[in-house]
Amino acid sequence: EPEVTQTPSHQVTQMGQEVILRCVPISNHLYFYWYRQILGQKVEFLVSFYNNEISEKSEIFDDQFSVERPDGSNFTLKIRSTKLEDSAMYFCASSEAPGGAQETQYFGPGTRLLVL
Amino acid sequence: GNSVTQMEGPVTLSEEAFLTINCTYTASGYPSLFWYVQYPGEGLQLLLKATKADDKGSNKGFEATYRKETTSFHLEKGSVQVSDSAVYFCALMTTDSWGKFQFGAGTQVVVTP
Repeated sequence: EPEVTQTPSHQVTQMGQEVILRCVPISNHLYFYWYRQILGQKVEFLVSFYNNEISEKSEIFDDQFSVERPDGSNFTLKIRSTKLEDSAMYFCASSEAPGGAQETQYFGPGTRLLVL
Repeated sequence: GNSVTQMEGPVTLSEEAFLTINCTYTASGYPSLFWYVQYPGEGLQLLLKATKADDKGSNKGFEATYRKETTSFHLEKGSVQVSDSAVYFCALMTTDSWGKFQFGAGTQVVVTP
């Protein structure tokens, strides 16, 4: 069964450093998403992406965040200058079509980011 | 704004016990409701969903009924197995925010032999 993959599974970085989280969505999917979950809190929507553009973003997704589809297979989340509060599990997801109720989002296993 | 509240875990059960995980929501309009499950080391997987009031979603022995009058979508399974140990997330999506899930905090379920 096709699956979404994410690398790395764990990332430790120093505050102020840039990190890039990588995702390989399912190959025929066109819509991509990032969510995050701070330890003990809810999974929160960050951004959705389609046709090389951001479709929607949350208030969390400020100027330090960016997303990119650098080639036909990868989808990345960049955090330019990490803060302690960016420590969280980051989930990538993809879907075939706009995430209406009839479309399933497939999630990756997550990248656990720890900012020291 | 939209929100999902689910019972805190961990919930610890013996094999073959009955499982209920409560989920209530606040949303404008008529949301679609979902349960996702995350097994250790894996991503979130769709377990079941319901798109309108009184719909029942079911999969792998799990069921949940969309109750508009109580704004609830409780997850139930009649007889759990050790392999059901996982974190369960209740979520909603509204028509004005397609593609954007609102998740609950997740409930860890531990089933012991």
